[in-house]
Amino acid sequence: DVKVTQSSRYLVKRTGEKVFLECVQDMDHENMFWYRQDPGLGLRLIYFSYDVKMKEKGDIPEGYSVSREKKERFSLILESASTNQTSMYLCASSFLPEAYGYTFGSGTRLTVV
Amino acid sequence: GNSVTQMEGPVTLSEEAFLTINCTYTATGYPSLFWYVQYPGEGLQLLLKATKADDKGSNKGFEATYRKETTSFHLEKGSVQVSDSAVYFCALSDRGNNDMRFGAGTRLTVKP
Repeated sequence: DVKVTQSSRYLVKRTGEKVFLECVQDMDHENMFWYRQDPGLGLRLIYFSYDVKMKEKGDIPEGYSVSREKKERFSLILESASTNQTSMYLCASSFLPEAYGYTFGSGTRLTVV
Repeated sequence: GNSVTQMEGPVTLSEEAFLTINCTYTATGYPSLFWYVQYPGEGLQLLLKATKADDKGSNKGFEATYRKETTSFHLEKGSVQVSDSAVYFCALSDRGNNDMRFGAGTRLTVKP
């Protein structure tokens, strides 16, 4: 089974801090994704990557950046955390989304105080 | 652009009741359709999928049929269990686009 591992389940950070959320997958998938999940808003795409060092903005990239130096790792960076970035962050990976769908990690619940 | 609309919840049913969660979509191309399930405190898991019109996806007693004429992919289960309590997401992925579009999610609670 494909496994997508997010480094932290729960994280509490202070306003203004630089925050790194890490995601690692073990099945050599080209495509990796970061979403945030908020009540009533569903899942919103922040960034995705279809290859090493490649990245594409999603629907809500403001305040975020990403890094993909190796195929298996996709990091989400909050440059200066703000309280409105308190959310559940979900990482996913896929070989071919339209054929196989995504495999998700367990999520990181980030609270910014 | 592509989008998914699913029925708002929450939905509360008694054990062994019949479940339907409605999902309709808008897409410019020929999308694949998915249902994901999210149990409390966890990420999303793929429940079932259909990659072309008239396909039926099924898994764990859940079914959904890809209806192109009504642009729908409704989720059904004949007899729900308490363990089916979760949030269900409908989603689509269009060929040529790597990202997936999700509905807002429907929370299902099944009472004994």
